[in-house]
Amino acid sequence: VQMLQSTVEVKPPGASVKVSCQASGYKFRDYGISWVRQAPGQGLEWMGWIYSDTQYTRFAQMFEGRVTMTADTSTNTAHLELRNLKSDDTATYYCARVVTGKDEPLDNWGQGTLVIVSS
Amino acid sequence: ETVLTQSPAILAVSPGDSATLSCTASQSINDNLAWYQQKPGQAPRLLVYGASTGHTGTPARFSGSGFGTEFTLTITSLQSDDFAVYYCQQYNFWPRTFGQGTRLEI
Repeated sequence: VQMLQSTVEVKPPGASVKVSCQASGYKFRDYGISWVRQAPGQGLEWMGWIYSDTQYTRFAQMFEGRVTMTADTSTNTAHLELRNLKSDDTATYYCARVVTGKDEPLDNWGQGTLVIVSS
Repeated sequence: ETVLTQSPAILAVSPGDSATLSCTASQSINDNLAWYQQKPGQAPRLLVYGASTGHTGTPARFSGSGFGTEFTLTITSLQSDDFAVYYCQQYNFWPRTFGQGTRLEI
């Protein structure tokens, strides 16, 4: 299993960013994808989840209305779009595969995409 | 949302010792808890899920326990490779949440 992410994005305040996560080594439709971010020197923050087969999503309230998550089953790629960027959105954004079933841990993680919000 | 409180924030131990990390949930999450290890500059890695089930490849010196609101990750015979930050995460309620982390230091 591999989750390959884009590396670095630099955006000005107010812009949008779209981060990609290319999955391989498993049946993409059978799992979900969660997005987790980590500001410099800080802890992990869960942003949301998408079930790849149905495109059903759940988000953390603080991101509602500002985030879109998609999962393209033809290319096995998940995308995170975050709009109206602010300086405190500067962080590393991780995608992670989510097991479906009784237990739903994040069992395989991408290497992270550094998003820098700066004018 | 379900708040996870990890203690201590920093734990200083010596190689060969054991370490006990705690995670307390603000409401019962049954056994729907995972533990992750994160080393500097790396993505987190799943260690334990279902509160006590070791993920594939997790060394036997890592063990998880607990149910409801109180959870523990115990690491025995600490090796230099184990010094990292450890996070708990609940997947019983939406939104999923992480604890703030425990840094394990030499």
